[in-house]
Amino acid sequence: GQSLEQPSEVTAVEGAIVQINCTYQTSGFYGLSWYQQHDGGAPTFLSYNALDGLEETGRFSSFLSRSDSYGYLLLQELQMKDSASYFCAVRDLAGNMLTFGGGTRLMVKP
Amino acid sequence: GAGVSQSPSNKVTEKGKDVELRCDPISGHTALYWYRQSLGQGLEFLIYFQGNSAPDKSGLPSDRFSAERTGGSVSTLTIQRTQQEDSAVYLCASTLGSADTQYFGPGTRLTVL
Repeated sequence: GQSLEQPSEVTAVEGAIVQINCTYQTSGFYGLSWYQQHDGGAPTFLSYNALDGLEETGRFSSFLSRSDSYGYLLLQELQMKDSASYFCAVRDLAGNMLTFGGGTRLMVKP
Repeated sequence: GAGVSQSPSNKVTEKGKDVELRCDPISGHTALYWYRQSLGQGLEFLIYFQGNSAPDKSGLPSDRFSAERTGGSVSTLTIQRTQQEDSAVYLCASTLGSADTQYFGPGTRLTVL
């Protein structure tokens, strides 16, 4: 099976940089995905790491280290609109479903 | 085209009643997923449909839960004899290819009194 651990809550100030970590235990997986969910909204896809290393998409970057069973989402130049929950997820080798972490609630303060 | 749509957006029901939740995936998407999300929690996988293959029902919490997908498009999630612990947001997602990039609907908030 799969299990993913994330901090439950992170607070940062506008303009700052924040890193949201995700550690996982799996029997094998294709890659690590990140989703953003605003309160009352649907999760939206942010990024995907199939290989080790850093993937950058604008202000957001995501990192994966398979040897450390670890990944993170990096948000730069934080804006108030970045206040949301962020979920990491993995797809296992056996099936096509995603297993999600419990989510990290990011609060951006002025 | 349009994104994933779900109906109703909110459903309040009494304990013991049956409910049906509907999902319209993005046109052309072959895979469809149902998840459940309790307040402040992560997403719990329920069931997965891929084309004409038999669905993966491994996440359904009990035999009160069932789902079907007609014509490879619209899906209905049915919960029979609802219980208070079934109260949650039920999310549907679809994908064209990779399961890693899923497109979610707005969800149905189910409240069982």
